[in-house]
Amino acid sequence: SQQGEEDPQALSIQEGENATMNCSYKTSINNLQWYRQNSGRGLVHLILIRSNEREKHSGRLRVTLDTSKKSSSLLITASRAADTASYFCATDARGNNRLAFGKGNQVVVIP
Amino acid sequence: DGGITQSPKYLFRKEGQNVTLSCEQNLNHDAMYWYRQDPGQGLRLIYYSQIVNDFQKGDIAEGYSVSREKKESFPLTVTSAQKNPTAFYLCASSIFPAGPEIRNSPLHFGNGTRLTVT
Repeated sequence: SQQGEEDPQALSIQEGENATMNCSYKTSINNLQWYRQNSGRGLVHLILIRSNEREKHSGRLRVTLDTSKKSSSLLITASRAADTASYFCATDARGNNRLAFGKGNQVVVIP
Repeated sequence: DGGITQSPKYLFRKEGQNVTLSCEQNLNHDAMYWYRQDPGQGLRLIYYSQIVNDFQKGDIAEGYSVSREKKESFPLTVTSAQKNPTAFYLCASSIFPAGPEIRNSPLHFGNGTRLTVT
């Protein structure tokens, strides 16, 4: 089944810096979703961007979607130690009845 | 507060034993899902159910079984046929159907059950 792939896999930054991670996918999608997972916990939905949208904001999060390149990026601005987590993209491919998750992108924010 | 409850948080079993993981939600969601998470593998779908008394196999259903007798509950049984059962198991739920433009609505996850089989 189709799967998102995040890049880079691990990112370590200083508090206050911005963190950017990317996700690529292979087939046409209805929407793309980003989730956060703190260590040992369940995933939490962050933001959903539809295929006809190019950019979406939610607080310190900015998501872009380029359907021509089949890629999305998640930007966390002014990072905080509490942003330390794994971030997953999930694609809602046309014709599928379930989400396909990428392998995750670990972000460590150093205080 | 609405949410999904998975229990127990940690579970230990001997090889050859079946074990059932609990998942309960009070979000009034129709759809429920079970995922398995291994280090470096991301999330893999085991089973999902979009309506009571119906469920579908996901990508890695072998060695697992589920039931959906109530809307609120979607227990997962890890059978002795599952060759590598040690993993972190996540249950999720969502609105279904989501609507004409969003086929798969955002998932609400429980906090997982870590199963160790020795």
